Amino acid sequence: SQQGEEDPQALSIQEGENATMNCSYKTSINNLQWYRQNSGRGLVHLILIRSNEREKHSGRLRVTLDTSKKSSSLLITASRAADTASYFCATDGNTGNQFYFGTGTSLTVIP
Amino acid sequence: GAVVSQHPSWVICKSGTSVKIECRSLDFQATTMFWYRQFPKQSLMLMATSNEGSKATYEQGVEKDKFLINHASLTLSTLTVTSAHPEDSSFYICSAPPLRTGPEAFFGQGTRLTVV
Repeated sequence: SQQGEEDPQALSIQEGENATMNCSYKTSINNLQWYRQNSGRGLVHLILIRSNEREKHSGRLRVTLDTSKKSSSLLITASRAADTASYFCATDGNTGNQFYFGTGTSLTVIP
Repeated sequence: GAVVSQHPSWVICKSGTSVKIECRSLDFQATTMFWYRQFPKQSLMLMATSNEGSKATYEQGVEKDKFLINHASLTLSTLTVTSAHPEDSSFYICSAPPLRTGPEAFFGQGTRLTVV
């Protein structure tokens, strides 16, 4: 299976704290993306990082990529209750536009 | 931005019946679309790649006769769950990467299928 793994599986923090999620994958990639999913809803694209990039920022999001370790991390700073959702990393497995998703991290931000 | 629409959002059907789920790219064309399945509190599993004008490519372990995929135009792919059983109950999501843009894919809002 090309599915990656994420940790932690679940994370609960207080509003205002930072949340860090990690993703590990198995194959070489062209890019890695992070998505957010609210319960029972579709996916929202958050950020994409290419295999030749090491770090990327978007608003309160910071993504790192270590291709030698086949891992990525997503940092959400100054979390808000509205950030409560599941977060998935997805890799293209160097095969094109089909994505393989990690197992996901369920984030709960307590107001 | 690019929009992908799925219909229906929620469907309940009886065992043995077939259900069709549509995935439309509203403001762009897509030669390929992808169908995923998600069980509660689990990740998305790629089921198949839908190719416009040709046969779909199924992932290992996915029954092609059970999950019929048709990609008749550059803006529409359909997934038909045939002879549905309760174990087919799941959340089905499609995605479509726009042509001539970056690798970012856009996802439909998902279809929750419940087979009773």
